Amino acid sequence: DAKTTQPNSMESNEEEPVHLPCNHSTISGTDYIHWYRQLPSQGPEYVIHGLTSNVNNRMASLAIAEDRKSSTLILHRATLRDAAVYYCILRAPGANNLFFGTGTRLTVIP
Amino acid sequence: KAGVTQTPRYLIKTRGQQVTLSCSPISGHRSVSWYQQTPGQGLQFLFEYFSETQRNKGNFPGRFSGRQFSNSRSEMNVSTLELGDSALYLCASSLVFSGANVLTFGAGSRLTVL
Repeated sequence: DAKTTQPNSMESNEEEPVHLPCNHSTISGTDYIHWYRQLPSQGPEYVIHGLTSNVNNRMASLAIAEDRKSSTLILHRATLRDAAVYYCILRAPGANNLFFGTGTRLTVIP
Repeated sequence: KAGVTQTPRYLIKTRGQQVTLSCSPISGHRSVSWYQQTPGQGLQFLFEYFSETQRNKGNFPGRFSGRQFSNSRSEMNVSTLELGDSALYLCASSLVFSGANVLTFGAGSRLTVL
């Protein structure tokens, strides 16, 4: 299984943008890049996903490098509710056995 | 649309006992997967079911088993409980297996083994 590398922790001030990086140098051509986050005492929650092109949704934006070996999750204005562990996951077609890794713990400072 | 429902939310067992956890997926979702989350190992894949058949299994001992019913509801069972089985057990459902497909997780069942 292709794995991802993320920083263990990051901090952001409230209402500022946050860029969460993820390296996935062994990604295969058919792997999607998914981001999930886990708030305290909750199950993981889907954030966004993409294959090759940058993606935007109401929660975040996903910027994917041209060679697909890295990606960045962008939260445009961090709020206290965005404090969570963010997981970058490679999702192969036909596979629901996701490898979560350790993720990045985001702390939002008021 | 109701989300993924897991029961019970909390339970306490003693070593050697067995436990059964239940998961009701989102209506229409036919794939159910289970994950174990511990502070030391993080989130680890246990197994996945689709149309009552196990499609995938993680690296867990045979004490961990599961099944899926015709209505897509799923149960997992852990026999001969050990202290190390204390964890948050998460269930996730999805429509299909496309790489683009999204998993929706329940809130989990927190198991404490004494």
